[in-house]
Amino acid sequence: GQQLNQSPQSMFIQEGEDVSMNCTSSSIFNTWLWYKQDPGEGPVLLIALYKAGELTSNGRLTAQFGITRKDSFLNISASIPSDVGIYFCAGLIYNTDKLIFGTGTRLQVFP
Amino acid sequence: DTEVTQTPKHLVMGMTNKKSLKCEQHMGHRAMYWYKQKAKKPPELMFVYSYEKLSINESVPSRFSPECPNSSLLNLHLHALQPEDSALYLCASSQWGTGLGETQYFGPGTRLLVL
Repeated sequence: GQQLNQSPQSMFIQEGEDVSMNCTSSSIFNTWLWYKQDPGEGPVLLIALYKAGELTSNGRLTAQFGITRKDSFLNISASIPSDVGIYFCAGLIYNTDKLIFGTGTRLQVFP
Repeated sequence: DTEVTQTPKHLVMGMTNKKSLKCEQHMGHRAMYWYKQKAKKPPELMFVYSYEKLSINESVPSRFSPECPNSSLLNLHLHALQPEDSALYLCASSQWGTGLGETQYFGPGTRLLVL
């Protein structure tokens, strides 16, 4: 199936460091969503973006909807051990209910 | 409250068995979704129901049969599955299912193993 290009594929960082990950696509999306998934669990919504250029924060998380509508990034500041998990971007194809997921970024935080 | 519940949490079935996965939400959402997620892969859309009617079927084999008895419930009936169908099955819901960019909320998933 269709997937978004998400990078990096994995990150190994020390507690307290900042993290940045992004998603790019050749298609235009009208909504970008960022989820975190723990092993064996469902994705949990972190941030939703609805407008091109929109910058939204949720605690230590900040995400932006790219101005071209084809990309988005997520930043995590001052990482903590509970940030460990897989982060997925997801884009909603315009005028449909089809949510396309990125390939995921696996984050590991060391104390 | 953004809770979507799924039962069972785990399911093991043989290739000749018939089983069902259940999903429930009480957020008043009118759109519900089934996704399939293989290990180390992102979720992939299977079906979308909007206002209790099937609106999207992503060319899913007929051994998977969805059902939406009412706006709060979504079932996935399984019959004659293959071992390659083993995966995490995720249910999600959104407010309207209008194609206007609504946030989807996911349940915890059912881990299915087909022997």
